[in-house]
Amino acid sequence: EVHLVESGGDLVQPGGSLRLSCTASGLTFTNYAMSWVRQAPGKGLEWVSAISGSGGGTYYADSVKGRFTISRDNSKNTLYLQMDSLRAEDTAVYYCAKDCGGGDCSHAFDDWGQGTLVTVSS
Amino acid sequence: QPVLTQSSSASASLGSSVKLTCTLSSGPSTSIIAWYQQQPGKAPRYLMNVEGSGTYNKGGGVPDRFSGSRSGTDRYLTISNLQSEDEADYYCETWDSNTRVFGGGTKLTVL
Repeated sequence: EVHLVESGGDLVQPGGSLRLSCTASGLTFTNYAMSWVRQAPGKGLEWVSAISGSGGGTYYADSVKGRFTISRDNSKNTLYLQMDSLRAEDTAVYYCAKDCGGGDCSHAFDDWGQGTLVTVSS
Repeated sequence: QPVLTQSSSASASLGSSVKLTCTLSSGPSTSIIAWYQQQPGKAPRYLMNVEGSGTYNKGGGVPDRFSGSRSGTDRYLTISNLQSEDEADYYCETWDSNTRVFGGGTKLTVL
């Protein structure tokens, strides 16, 4: 069974930085692209960033491009999101999500972590 | 970039059926979309994807009461024999050129 556990969420001031982590178990981590998806309080889901299984390809939503950096350490089965120049509108629960990787589920997010809360406020 | 449109809310009675709609307003009409369920206070859960042909493929452990279909640019999630635990937010999602897009979500109330 796949298990994804996020950590690193905290209260941070506007303009500050934070690094989120997502540790995976129960899978061959390097075989799967991963994403970060966030959900502002009372709002819907918003895709933030994705990274290929090897880490060679990274992709970002326009809302975070130039401020956030996604990375992974396949030797540690861990996904990261470095968040810089944080704004109030970045306040959200951040989920890591695993790309199914093809087949019947295509590229849906078939496994999700429980989320970690990031609050940007002075 | 694809755009997905969902009604903000829906309601149906316990034991009845409901059909939720996700409209693909931009992007190929044959695009695959995925459906997710988010119960209150929980992380999203993958339910199924619906292909351009209308074929749907469910995730592990998803009850038979859940099914998918398609008509033109609309993708549907149908829930039969509604149970109280089906009260949740439902999101559709698709992907294109390394971008992922979610619909705004539908809040389903079971009466």
